[in-house]
Amino acid sequence: AQTVTQSQPEMSVQEAETVTLSCTYDTSENNYYLFWYKQPPSRQMILVIRQEAYKQQNATENRFSVNFQKAAKSFSLKISDSQLGDTAMYFCAFMNNNDMRFGAGTRLTVKP
Amino acid sequence: DTGVSQNPRHKITKRGQNVTFRCDPISEHNRLYWYRQTLGQGPEFLTYFQNEAQLEKSRLLSDRFSAERPKGSFSTLEIQRTEQGDSAMYLCASSFGLAGGVGTQYFGPGTRLLVL
Repeated sequence: AQTVTQSQPEMSVQEAETVTLSCTYDTSENNYYLFWYKQPPSRQMILVIRQEAYKQQNATENRFSVNFQKAAKSFSLKISDSQLGDTAMYFCAFMNNNDMRFGAGTRLTVKP
Repeated sequence: DTGVSQNPRHKITKRGQNVTFRCDPISEHNRLYWYRQTLGQGPEFLTYFQNEAQLEKSRLLSDRFSAERPKGSFSTLEIQRTEQGDSAMYLCASSFGLAGGVGTQYFGPGTRLLVL
């Protein structure tokens, strides 16, 4: 069974600084998809970034980028120039055949 | 289109009562998913529809849970004889996917259930 591990329950970063959130996963599949979702306090889950496993190039969306290491089964999220609005729970997710598995989340606080 | 909507947003019920939640997906999305999220945890997959067909169910979905998507548009999730352990946030997500493809899932705001 696929599992997703986020080893950092909580993190904090100063506004304008860079922070990296860790995620590892376990699978025997070769084709799959990885996602980072953001869940602000009392608000709905929003997609941050998506990575297809067959793509070697790391995905980037504005201030958000990933470091996808397929052999190591690692999928970290880097947030550059952190903003107060980035404060949220961040969930790493693995998907194969429409079965999406989430990690337990990392609570990120951006401090002014 | 305003995204995925869920109703009600909050539900308080007494143990043993039945509850039903509704999800309206993004209109052109053919796939619909239900998840359960407890405090401090990530969402857990419950079930998945492609159009009106329920294609996958998690072992978390006990006999007291039933989900439908009668016309391939909105979906309902019913919990019969609720238990205190059913207290959680129930999330719905939808996506558009072709055969063999995986579409990005867009989530609704969730229905928070409290069973007293």
